[in-house]
Amino acid sequence: DQQVKQNSPSLSVQEGRISILNCDYTNSMFDYFLWYKKYPAEGPTFLISISSIKDKNEDGRFTVFLNKSAKHLSLHIVPSQPGDSAVYFCAASVGGTSYGKLTFGQGTILTVHP
Amino acid sequence: EPEVTQTPSHQVTQMGQEVILRCVPISNHLYFYWYRQILGQKVEFLVSFYNNEISEKSEIFDDQFSVERPDGSNFTLKIRSTKLEDSAMYFCASSGRQGYTDTQYFGPGTRLTVL
Repeated sequence: DQQVKQNSPSLSVQEGRISILNCDYTNSMFDYFLWYKKYPAEGPTFLISISSIKDKNEDGRFTVFLNKSAKHLSLHIVPSQPGDSAVYFCAASVGGTSYGKLTFGQGTILTVHP
Repeated sequence: EPEVTQTPSHQVTQMGQEVILRCVPISNHLYFYWYRQILGQKVEFLVSFYNNEISEKSEIFDDQFSVERPDGSNFTLKIRSTKLEDSAMYFCASSGRQGYTDTQYFGPGTRLTVL
């Protein structure tokens, strides 16, 4: 099941710089997208979401961009901090909310170096 | 801040045994979920539960699996006869307060090891 793909297994960034995490999807029925962060031995923690009626959503240092024609979304973290080091998952759902089944990507390990 | 809790944190069992994984969702949430993550693989949806019944389940969620909300606070996942391939991290999640648009909040997970 490759409906949601994160093609970069890892990303290394210097503190203070921008981190850009990418996600592609193939199911055109997806209309709600989320980013989760996961530390070892913890469950995924919600970061930010975006509905397909928007192309950008911002929350503090985190911005998610959605390009529906390319079926691509990205998460920008500016400025990156060492505490941002974690696994980042993008997820998608059908129905315009997050109440239904979430389909996850494989995750990208972000390492922010001091 | 309210959080989803799960017990136990780690469960070791013999193949063929029954296990029950327990979750306490966030109070006042209406939707409940189980997901699992096999080591090195994606987080996969198992089942969603609303209004005391299953609302959606994946092909993984076969007759060996069942869910129950036995009281007003707990949400359980039962695996009737465990297989080696059931070894995974199992995450419970909840969402949906009445009148709010809410995301899914995940618990810390239960690591199930089937020997």
